[in-house]
Amino acid sequence: DSGVTQTPKHLITATGQRVTLRCSPRSGDLSVYWYQQSLDQGLQFLIQYYNGEERAKGNILERFSAQQFPDLHSELNLSSLELGDSALYFCASSVVSSPHYTQYFGPGTRLTVL
Amino acid sequence: AQKITQTQPGMFVQEKEAVTLDCTYDTSDPSYGLFWYKQPSSGEMIFLIYQGSYDQQNATEGRYSLNFQKARKSANLVISASQLGDSAMYFCAMREGSATGNQFYFGTGTSLTVIP
Repeated sequence: DSGVTQTPKHLITATGQRVTLRCSPRSGDLSVYWYQQSLDQGLQFLIQYYNGEERAKGNILERFSAQQFPDLHSELNLSSLELGDSALYFCASSVVSSPHYTQYFGPGTRLTVL
Repeated sequence: AQKITQTQPGMFVQEKEAVTLDCTYDTSDPSYGLFWYKQPSSGEMIFLIYQGSYDQQNATEGRYSLNFQKARKSANLVISASQLGDSAMYFCAMREGSATGNQFYFGTGTSLTVIP
């Protein structure tokens, strides 16, 4: 158990809908990262938050947005969903002060768009 | 150019033998980090080992070691004494950027099967 929690575990929805994925980082971790893993795109970095502020953006679509709250949990909002958004969405957290910047991944949320 | 290249889609190794999983990377950032992750069939991502670009020695974590050749831009993972539980997908990844604002890139993965 990495200590990172993600809810829900599975999500099935329809095209055009909006969903919210939630992540709680490990205790003490200030950085949260979101990733998308799909069969055709592989693992892609979406976005990073550090102590409530956006720090880095990867291949995140404009239809997607995220935020990190004062209690450090994070939410990833996916809107106007398309079939191609079906994927496993991982959240990871890290202690930035660690020289290794090691990321610990949550179990993921599997999103299926029908 | 691909940031992370893993050229071995699948590998087989006999139980108790050692195996090397290849990874090459591309970056012009002088400060970067290299990671290896394991993803079993259950889907979770497990951190294995980390190597910083300024680290002089190769990283080791138990049966895992990272063969870091900076000039060749390679960061191969060596698993010694393979176990059946090592059967999984293995991803090489790279972090570019500062401590607070990073970009991360993953390779396409290598599927390792340990044969009894």
